Amino acid sequence: DAGVTQSPTHLIKTRGQQVTLRCSPKSGHDTVSWYQQALGQGPQFIFQYYEEEERQRGNFPDRFSGHQFPNYSSELNVNALLLGDSALYLCASSLGAVQRTGELFFGEGSRLTVL
Amino acid sequence: AQRVTQPEKLLSVFKGAPVELKCNYSYSGSPELFWYVQYSRQRLQLLLRHISRESIKGFTADLNKGETSFHLKKPFAQEEDSAMYYCALSGRNAGNNRKLIWGLGTSLAVNP
Repeated sequence: DAGVTQSPTHLIKTRGQQVTLRCSPKSGHDTVSWYQQALGQGPQFIFQYYEEEERQRGNFPDRFSGHQFPNYSSELNVNALLLGDSALYLCASSLGAVQRTGELFFGEGSRLTVL
Repeated sequence: AQRVTQPEKLLSVFKGAPVELKCNYSYSGSPELFWYVQYSRQRLQLLLRHISRESIKGFTADLNKGETSFHLKKPFAQEEDSAMYYCALSGRNAGNNRKLIWGLGTSLAVNP
């Protein structure tokens, strides 16, 4: 079991561009959550996908959107990139939308740099 | 408001010394508390949760509802314990869905 896999691992974009990050959950998991982790900060919840729908959303603007596919993999899209979007984007998978156990399995993240 | 506070951004101890990473929370219901750890160049992973009351890698954490704390403790720190530690609370939002609320993290450095 490869666990949670994310791609790309690193990428550089310029302001105003758009980016798509991808995540494959741990085998057997059906729920994907996305987090933004700025340097020196804790993870900030962006949103969660379950059954191909956005179930919960953190305090992020509409420029941040996502998608979940029938195979449970997910994408995070960020439009009109700002310098402040530079961060490590973490994908976490779990079983069930309500995250009853609170145990998340994290990927290694995608490091986005916006110039 | 639901909030997790880790008052120490950095904690430095010597090998063999006791270590305590503090976590305080604010939550109106019955919380579930967790400690996650991120070692250098590794992914974030669950260390322990309060409901299991287990010891992982020598670490323990007791939920103190009176003091609203969930401090992480280890009697004898090892160099391999050096990592970033996050305290997290699982609580229900207005839609009755659970989500994790994270502290800002404490960087533990264990010196030889």
